[in-house]
Amino acid sequence: QQQVKQSPQSLIVQKGGISIINCAYENTAFDYFPWYQQFPGKGPALLIAIRPDVSEKKEGRFTISFNKSAKQFSLHIMDSQPGDSATYFCAANNQGGKLIFGQGTELSVKP
Amino acid sequence: DAGITQSPRHKVTETGTPVTLRCHQTENHRYMYWYRQDPGHGLRLIHYSYGVKDTDKGEVSDGYSVSRSKTEDFLLTLESATSSQTSVYFCAISTGTGANYGYTFGSGTRLTVV
Repeated sequence: QQQVKQSPQSLIVQKGGISIINCAYENTAFDYFPWYQQFPGKGPALLIAIRPDVSEKKEGRFTISFNKSAKQFSLHIMDSQPGDSATYFCAANNQGGKLIFGQGTELSVKP
Repeated sequence: DAGITQSPRHKVTETGTPVTLRCHQTENHRYMYWYRQDPGHGLRLIHYSYGVKDTDKGEVSDGYSVSRSKTEDFLLTLESATSSQTSVYFCAISTGTGANYGYTFGSGTRLTVV
């Protein structure tokens, strides 16, 4: 009930390509879905977030697509750059402000 | 950025010894969290606090205890460290509201239990 499942575990994309990371959840009470970006040796940092009353949110090259009926959401990185190489985590808020995180995706963007 | 620091940054300890990790914040945030990060498991919540002396368990709390005697400090203690507690530990505070709600994480503590 509390899980957030993330795929793929790792992803290699060519520079300029589109990176897509997917997450699925079970608990329909989740009400907030952020994505975090983590560089080696650093803590995760908030990248972009969405609430279930909208189906898409875009910030620059980063877009979240949200499908409430399927209980799935995804992160799209357009025009991927080597500087985007990092680990990405999806998460869901289980009410009370506690975030449940996915397993993480290690993205590598090749020049 | 919210000021949040973790100490130590790295620690190697022996099995069976007690270990305390410290999280310090400078901006008077009420909610604080301890997570551990392990490959294939992402970030898992150990304990959290919603105020001084108010703490509660997360999903992987066995073998860990916490204390919060001051708003700015949240301590995580491994009473008797085991090899399965080798991990990277992150402290976080919740910041912002509405569309800007999120966590700010510290830089982490890499703990190795030998």
